[in-house]
This record gives sequence, structure tokens and C-alpha cells, in this order.
Amino acid sequence: KAGVTQTPRYLIKTRGQQVTLSCSPISGHRSVSWYQQTPGQGLQFLFEYFSETQRNKGNFPGRFSGRQFSNSRSEMNVSTLELGDSALYLCASSLGLAGGQNTQYFGPGTRLTVL
Amino acid sequence: AQSVTQPDIHITVSEGASLELRCNYSYGATPYLFWYVQSPGQGLQLLLKYFSGDTLVQGIKGFEAEFKRSQSSFNLRKPSVHWSDAAEYFCAVGVHTGGSQGNLIFGKGTKLSVKP
Repeated sequence: KAGVTQTPRYLIKTRGQQVTLSCSPISGHRSVSWYQQTPGQGLQFLFEYFSETQRNKGNFPGRFSGRQFSNSRSEMNVSTLELGDSALYLCASSLGLAGGQNTQYFGPGTRLTVL
Repeated sequence: AQSVTQPDIHITVSEGASLELRCNYSYGATPYLFWYVQSPGQGLQLLLKYFSGDTLVQGIKGFEAEFKRSQSSFNLRKPSVHWSDAAEYFCAVGVHTGGSQGNLIFGKGTKLSVKP
């Protein structure tokens, strides 16, 4: 079974631009969670989508948004990019709602660099 | 509050030596525990998980972890480290009420370096 895939793997943008990242979960998984990873802050939870609905949201500004499609694929969007948005963005999928025994499987990440 | 603590930020071991990475959790209910490994610039790979039953769980790449409820610990071990084990290791607890932290609460990670 194919794992979680994320596209693109690398992205370079300039301040003020917007960006869209894509995540395809493992086949049959209905939950997709997004995380931001930086050297200073570590792993930080962005949001989780399940059955096309946002179920949980981290403490990030409204510039960070996401959505999930009927095939469980998910996208996240960051508008008006700031230098501090440079990070590795990780997507994880699980069969059911994240948490408890529902194991999350991670993709390879998208490395976003904002200049 | 639920949390995961990995007391060691960075550990260096010699190739062939044994390894133990520490993890302590704080969670009021039954803990569902995970260890992930991350190579530089890569995503997180699941090493092993504990839900219930035998408190010693085996994972991939020769790793094992022992759950000790009395110590709220879930330490990761490997009897003989290989140079390819150099990576960052994250302990996590799965909860249902993580709120803005999300429902997979991570420790800050332990970076493992391996000396030849």
C-alpha cells in the first residue's frame, strides 16, 4: 500500500506570496493532520480534517487554512507569507479521527523556504 | 495537562554500543504511546507503538520499548546501535482531548549521533 505523499517536496517563495501544499493520505484513511516543524518551535499542530470537515485546529493565525476533498486528499494554504513561515510542513493520515489508538502515518514533508 | 518529556536533547553513542532514549508522559487516562524516528529533512517514521498488553513492545529496525506505568515512562532501547540509526527520535502519546495541541502530543525529540 502506498504511503502518504506530499507535493511539492520543496518550495521557494517570497514574502507576501501565497502557497498551496498538497497531501494524499494512505488509501482508506479518512483523517489528515498537518504539522509545522521548525528548529526553534519543534513540531506544532496546525489542523486536522476528517470527512471533509476541520475537526481540530492549532494556534496559528488565519493565514493558515486547509481543506479536504471527498477522496480524503487535503490541501493547506498559507497566504501573505512571512519569513517565519519557512519550515518543514508534515502531513499525517490515520484511519479514524487522530488520537487514542489511531496511528498517524507521516509523509516526507514539504520544505518551504520564504525569502 | 497532558505532556511528553524527553529529557535528553542530544545523545552520542559509539557504534555497536547499547542505546536507551528516555520518555516520560503525563496523561490521566490509558496512554497510547508511540515512538517515531526522523532522518534529516525527512518525515516521521513509526518505530513502534504501545496500546495494551505486554509492556515490552518490539518495533522495526531492532528497536524495543518498555512501558512502565508506575514511572509514567516509555523508554526506547536498542542493544547495538548502527551508524544508520543516527537521527532524531520523538516520543508521543495519543489522546482524545488535545485541543489546540492536536491529539498526538509529541516530546521535543532526542537527537542521536553515532560515533564510528
